[in-house]
Amino acid sequence: EAGVAQSPRYKIIEKRQSVAFWCNPISGHATLYWYQQILGQGPKLLIQFQNNGVVDDSQLPKDRFSAERLKGVDSTLKIQPAKLEDSAVYLCASSLQAGSSTDTQYFGPGTRLTVL
Amino acid sequence: AQRVTQPEKLLSVFKGAPVELKCNYSYSGSPELFWYVQYSRQRLQLLLRHISRESIKGFTADLNKGETSFHLKKPFAQEEDSAMYYCALSAWDKLIFGTGTRLQVFP
Repeated sequence: EAGVAQSPRYKIIEKRQSVAFWCNPISGHATLYWYQQILGQGPKLLIQFQNNGVVDDSQLPKDRFSAERLKGVDSTLKIQPAKLEDSAVYLCASSLQAGSSTDTQYFGPGTRLTVL
Repeated sequence: AQRVTQPEKLLSVFKGAPVELKCNYSYSGSPELFWYVQYSRQRLQLLLRHISRESIKGFTADLNKGETSFHLKKPFAQEEDSAMYYCALSAWDKLIFGTGTRLQVFP
C-alpha cells in the first residue's frame, strides 16, 4: 500500500515568512497527526485529527501555527510568521482507527524546515 | 507528568554482542509502551509494542512496572540493527516519545 506522503521534503525560509506543509495519509486512515521533531529530540505531537475534527491541539502554538484537514483526508500545517526556533522536521502520521493512540501510527518522510 | 527517558544518546557495540537500549517512563495510569525505529534514510516505524509480547527482528522488550522500565534487548546485534530507536508511551490518547538512542553496530 502507498505510505503517508508529505511535501515539500525540504524548505528554507527567513524568519517572519510564512510556510505551509502538506500531508496525504494512507487511504482509509481516520486519524492524522502532525509532529514537530527538533534536532536531538523525539517527535512532539502538535495536533491530532480524527476524520476532519481536531482531537488534540494542546501543544500547537496557535498564535503562529494552524492546521486543517479538509474532507477528512489531506491536511496542511501552516506557520505564520516563522521564528528561528521553528527549525525542525515536521512529521505527518496516520492510523487506521479513530480515537486510539495505541493503534499503529504510520509516518511520512517528514519536511525539514530551516528558518534563517 | 508523563515522561519518557532514554538516558543514552549513543550506544556502540560490535556485531554479535548483546544490546540493551534503556527506557524509563513516568505515568500514573496503566502504561502502554512502544519502540519505534528509524533506519538511515527511512521513515520512523513501529518496531514493537509491549502488549503484543512478541519478538521482532530478534528484539524483545519487557514492561517492568516496578522499575517503570521498558528496555529493548537483543542477544546478538547485527550491523543492520544500526538505527535510531525511540521509546514511546501512550498517555491520554497521545504518544509521548523519548529523545532516542542511536545504536551503532560495528563489524
